[in-house]
Amino acid sequence: QVQLQESGPGLVKTSETLSLTCTVSGASITNYFWTWIRQPPGKGLEWIGYIYYTGNTNYNPSLRSRVTISIDTSKNQFSLRLTAVTAADTAVYYCASVAGGSRRFDPWGQGMLVTVSS
Amino acid sequence: QSALTQPASVSGSPGQSITISCTGTSSDVGAYNYVSWYQQHPDKAPKVMIYDVSKRPSGVSNRFSGSKSGNTASLTISGLQAEDEAEYYCSSFTSSNTYVFGTGTKVTVL
Repeated sequence: QVQLQESGPGLVKTSETLSLTCTVSGASITNYFWTWIRQPPGKGLEWIGYIYYTGNTNYNPSLRSRVTISIDTSKNQFSLRLTAVTAADTAVYYCASVAGGSRRFDPWGQGMLVTVSS
Repeated sequence: QSALTQPASVSGSPGQSITISCTGTSSDVGAYNYVSWYQQHPDKAPKVMIYDVSKRPSGVSNRFSGSKSGNTASLTISGLQAEDEAEYYCSSFTSSNTYVFGTGTKVTVL
């Protein structure tokens, strides 16, 4: 079955760039859309953006100016870059597959806490 | 885009039925039949319970059901069990080809 695993630094300094990678196993990354979602501690879920293997992307309007999602089909990975981070970007970051034509997020990675601190 | 509106909390006794609402607009919930519901236990990743308004993924109990009327979607849990105690989020695809989540509902089994 499809499995996803987030990786990257767990601590990022204020005003710097957050970079995470999601490694996909059990399926080709060319088969689906792929997405990033985050959850600040004790708060709700926030959709960040998605990418298709062709490179087609779309982002949450509130984050669009700072977000880039990219894909590496040779490594079966996709990545998130978020620039000019502040403490408000501290969150658990999840990667997920956008399954088939249903627009549902399934499955999800286990999530990775990224803390922004000076 | 604004978050979809859910009640902060809903509670029920074991065996009872509860319903969680998810209110959006004609640009999201009301625009397509692409509403999903996610269950999240503490310190765990969310799990899809309902998709396309009313479809259940394989392995999800038939005690979970979904529906939609206009700009409001609903999740009903029947025969409430202790293991259903969790946070629940709705999500909708939007007319801007983006996604939006609901504010989340804490379900408590009394």
